[in-house]
Amino acid sequence: DILLTQSPAILSVSPGERVSFSCRASQSIGTSIHWYQQRTNGSPRLLIKYASESISGIPSRFSGSGSGTDFTLSINSVESEDIADYYCQQSNSWPTTFGSGTKLEIK
Amino acid sequence: EVQLQQSGPELVKPGASMKISCKASGYSFTGYTMNWVKQSHGKNLEWIGLINPYNGGTSYNQKFKGKATLTVDKSSSTAYMELLSLTSEDSAVYYCARGGYDGEMDYWGQGTSVTVSS
Repeated sequence: DILLTQSPAILSVSPGERVSFSCRASQSIGTSIHWYQQRTNGSPRLLIKYASESISGIPSRFSGSGSGTDFTLSINSVESEDIADYYCQQSNSWPTTFGSGTKLEIK
Repeated sequence: EVQLQQSGPELVKPGASMKISCKASGYSFTGYTMNWVKQSHGKNLEWIGLINPYNGGTSYNQKFKGKATLTVDKSSSTAYMELLSLTSEDSAVYYCARGGYDGEMDYWGQGTSVTVSS
């Protein structure tokens, strides 16, 4: 199975700052990476698909980049409502797998 | 509006089996696959498997073969996951999630909490 490593486990930023989340795959997966946000007691919500494709209804401050093994999710100007866990998922290789997540805290 | 409505929380005894439902609305049920995902300890997400409601075809994560059985009822646009021979390791929140065309999961149910305890 492909292992997705997300780092760091926790990110702490001030409102208005830019933040980036890292996801590294154990082997090349092209751009078959998708990003999700999960707020406390909520379900995962799709933010970005295929590394950089935007999703309808998701604020434009969310963006994604990367290919091969290294991927990044960025939030341009963090807001308090962005407090959540963020997960990556790969769909290049069966079975699909998820990263262990990064928690975003607001200072 | 796409919605996936899951059945309520469950408390079950070790060794028992149970079934979770996921009722879909707001889209063509047979036009998309349905995934099932396990979240343990409020953190780790694991893909259990998926079912194609159009023809009932299934694909399982090897880890969950023999543990989960996926079915659908097209007449009610409902997907089901049966969990077998439950142990404490099966205590988790289980989600159904619609499969997008690029491997993503674009809509998720609210989750069903399963607690296995005597």
